Formats: sequence, structure tokens, C-alpha cells
Amino acid sequence: DIVMTQSPSSLAVSAGETVTINCKSSQSLLSSGNQKNYLAWYQQKPGQSPKLLIYLASTRESGVPDRFIGSGSGTDFTLTISSVQAEDLADYYCQQHYSYPLTFGSGTKLEIK
Amino acid sequence: EVQLVESGEGLVQPGSSMKLSCVASGFTFSNYGMNWIRQAPKKGLEWIALIYYDSSSKYYADSVKGRFTISRDNSKNTLYLEMNSLRSEDTAMYYCAKSGGGYSPDYWGQGVMVTVSS
Repeated sequence: DIVMTQSPSSLAVSAGETVTINCKSSQSLLSSGNQKNYLAWYQQKPGQSPKLLIYLASTRESGVPDRFIGSGSGTDFTLTISSVQAEDLADYYCQQHYSYPLTFGSGTKLEIK
Repeated sequence: EVQLVESGEGLVQPGSSMKLSCVASGFTFSNYGMNWIRQAPKKGLEWIALIYYDSSSKYYADSVKGRFTISRDNSKNTLYLEMNSLRSEDTAMYYCAKSGGGYSPDYWGQGVMVTVSS
């Protein structure tokens, strides 16, 4: 199984700051067939179901604000949230969708100061 | 609008069985793979099962393999999860989720709580 290691486990920032969340996979998520990285990012607000933000490492899901940016390739990936807003208070998870079983990172709790 | 509505929530004893359902609407259910994903209280997300759009293939997490069975009825736009030999560690919120671009789960239901306790 592919192990996803996510960091940090929590962070607190002020509104307007930029946040970076890291995710590392135990094996490459890059498909040699289509050169796409099978990595997704989810946001889970308190009391809600997870919401897909980014898939294929950098493709933003429809309706997701452009301050959410996914980057990286191979085994190292990053979710950047520019100009964090109060509504971004949530847990964030990375997930590999390269092979089954699908596996998630342990999550990052984002708090707003 | 895509909607996924789970049902079957409840409290059961260890060793017993339970079946969850998920009714889909707002998309062509028979064209998409479907997943079950769970989240233990105050814990992270754990993918547990996937079924192809035509039921031709199914995949399971090791933690549930041999005990849980995923199935679907495309005529009823419904996804199922049959859970046997339930353990306390199966206590979690269970979400159904549609597979999207690149096969990542894109739309999730609101979840149902399954509690396994004596």
C-alpha cells in the first residue's frame, strides 16, 4: 500500500497569510502512460463531509477558489492557500488515487488566529 | 446537483451485521465508480471499498476485506455496503462518494454513523 505522510499536523495563521501543506508518498504517483500525478487534496470543515479541492495534483475542482493551488510531482506535493480567509478553517487531507487501496494522509488542521 | 444520501445508521453489538445504503441523484449513476470511505471519531479518513460502474470489479481495504461487501443496483441508483463480523474498531462515520476525474472521489454524502459496542 502507498503510505501518505502529511505535514504539518496543525498550523495557525492570520487571515491574509499564505499557508503551505506538504504531502509525501512512499512511491511515485506519476503515471508513465499519461504523465499525470494521481494526488488529490480535500477540505473538511467542522461537522461537514470532505470536499474535493484538487485532483491530478494541480487540477482545481469546479467552483474552488483560485487561492487554492496544488503543485508537485512524483512523491512530493504541496497545497498552497494564498491569502487565507476565516472560512478556510478546516482539516485538509491529501490522498493518492494512483492505485488501490486509495490512501489518505493523516490530515492538517488549519486554525485562523 | 449531485446528491448522495446514505442510510442505515445505528448501534450494533460486536460480531453482528449491518447494511448501509446510498441513494444517488443528479448524475448518471450507472456511468461512475462508487466508493465507501469512513472516519472514526476525531480521526482521519480511511477509504474502504470501490465498485466499478458496472460492478465488474471491486476493491477493498485490508481492514475490511472478507467482512464487508460493496454492491450496487444501477436500476435503483443505489450503492450498498454489507458489513459482517463487526468490531469496535469499525465504529465510524461512513460516507459514500462518487469517483470523479482521475478516479478521485469527488462528491460525498453527508455520512451515517455506525457504532459497534456492547
